[in-house]
Amino acid sequence: GENVEQHPSTLSVQEGDSAVIKCTYSDSASNYFPWYKQELGKRPQLIIDIRSNVGEKKDQRIAVTLNKTAKHFSLHITETQPEDSAVYFCAAKGYSGAGSYQLTFGKGTKLSVIP
Amino acid sequence: DTAVSQTPKYLVTQMGNDKSIKCEQNLGHDTMYWYKQDSKKFLKIMFSYNNKELIINETVPNRFSPKSPDKAHLNLHINSLELGDSAVYFCASSQDPVAKNIQYFGAGTRLSVL
Repeated sequence: GENVEQHPSTLSVQEGDSAVIKCTYSDSASNYFPWYKQELGKRPQLIIDIRSNVGEKKDQRIAVTLNKTAKHFSLHITETQPEDSAVYFCAAKGYSGAGSYQLTFGKGTKLSVIP
Repeated sequence: DTAVSQTPKYLVTQMGNDKSIKCEQNLGHDTMYWYKQDSKKFLKIMFSYNNKELIINETVPNRFSPKSPDKAHLNLHINSLELGDSAVYFCASSQDPVAKNIQYFGAGTRLSVL
């Protein structure tokens, strides 16, 4: 099955600086890579995603890059703000057998933006 | 209207008890999931149902039994609760697990086993 590694586990940045979170995946057949943000005590929510036929996608201050050959993808947050503080999860969608697909999540990165 | 709703939000119970968590989605999605999030925040899938049929059952003790009366509901029943079952349980749903698998999560149920 799919295995997703995420680094770093914790990240502190000054407000206004950039933050980068990296993930690697093991299954070359995985073709969809979402990022979820989970604020303290809240549910995970999708913030951006990318498909394997695209190398980069941007949405305002958030961007995701994908390197299929190296099997890694990254989340970039520019001009960080205190409200960006949360746990971020990467995930990869892979085939789990018997016609079913599932998301495998990384272990999360706790991002703290210091005012 | 809440898209994916689960009840209760908090559940405190004694070891050995049996409890249920309910989940409903009003998004018209075909696939629903249960995840367990432990104290280290790791999100681990437990079950996945597509149109009331079980399609994923990870290595979860058989004390955990999902029930899907229809495609809008996926309930989780837990027998003989143990201390290690303490966690936040999230229900989620998605429309198209093949193409993308955008998952919408419920607010979570924080289970504390004493």
